[in-house]
Amino acid sequence: QKEVEQNSGPLSVPEGAIASLNCTYSDRVSQSFFWYRQYSGKSPELIMSIYSNGDKEDGRFTAQLNKASQYVSLLIRDSQPSDSATYLCAVNRVTGFQKLVFGTGTRLLVSP
Amino acid sequence: NAGVTQTPKFRILKIGQSMTLQCTQDMNHNYMYWYRQDPGMGLKLIYYSVGAGITDKGEVPNGYNVSRSTTEDFPLRLELAAPSQTSVYFCASSQTGTGYSEQYFGPGTRLTVT
Repeated sequence: QKEVEQNSGPLSVPEGAIASLNCTYSDRVSQSFFWYRQYSGKSPELIMSIYSNGDKEDGRFTAQLNKASQYVSLLIRDSQPSDSATYLCAVNRVTGFQKLVFGTGTRLLVSP
Repeated sequence: NAGVTQTPKFRILKIGQSMTLQCTQDMNHNYMYWYRQDPGMGLKLIYYSVGAGITDKGEVPNGYNVSRSTTEDFPLRLELAAPSQTSVYFCASSQTGTGYSEQYFGPGTRLTVT
C-alpha cells in the first residue's frame, strides 16, 4: 500500500463546476497535510495546508480533512481553465524531522 | 526576494560525467531539501539539510552527494552519471523542520543522461 494515494486522472470538469480531488494516506500518525499545484514543466506551488479535522477555506479552494478515515480532499469552486494542472497531495509526520511524502498527483483538466 | 533559485535549468550529461546542481535561497531558511521527480511519479527526497554543516540522506541518496557550507546554498553533486538519474530535480526550503513548516520549491533542473 502506498503511503499517499491519489487517482492519477485526468479529472475533467467544465468551467464553473466544482472540482473534487481526493487523497488517502496510510500512516495514522500523520498530522499535517498539504496541497500543491504543479503546472506542466513547472515546480510545485503550495496552495493549501490543513492540520485539523474539518474544512479550511481560502478563496475558491477548500481543503477537507478526516483523520478517522485517513482522507484529505481539495475542492475547487468555480473552476477555471487556469486551474488545469496536476495537484499533489503531501502528508507529513509531526514527530521528529519533517518528511513530506507526496502522492503521484491528480491531473485536472478544466474545459471552457 | 527571489525565494529558491536553481541553476542550470536544463542539462544533458553523458554517462559517467559529473556535475553539480546549484540551489540558493534568500529566505534565511534553516532547512533545505533535494527532490527528484520522475514522470508520473511523486517527489522523492534525495538529501536534506537542517543547517549549515549538517546534512542527511533521504529516500534515494545513492549516486548523489551534498554539502551545506552556508545557510543560503545547498548544492547537489552527481558523480558518474547514469541513465537512471535522468529526472527533474527540485530544491526546496523551509523555515523549520517541524510538521507545520511549509516547503517552498525552486524552479527545477531538468537533467538528461545519455
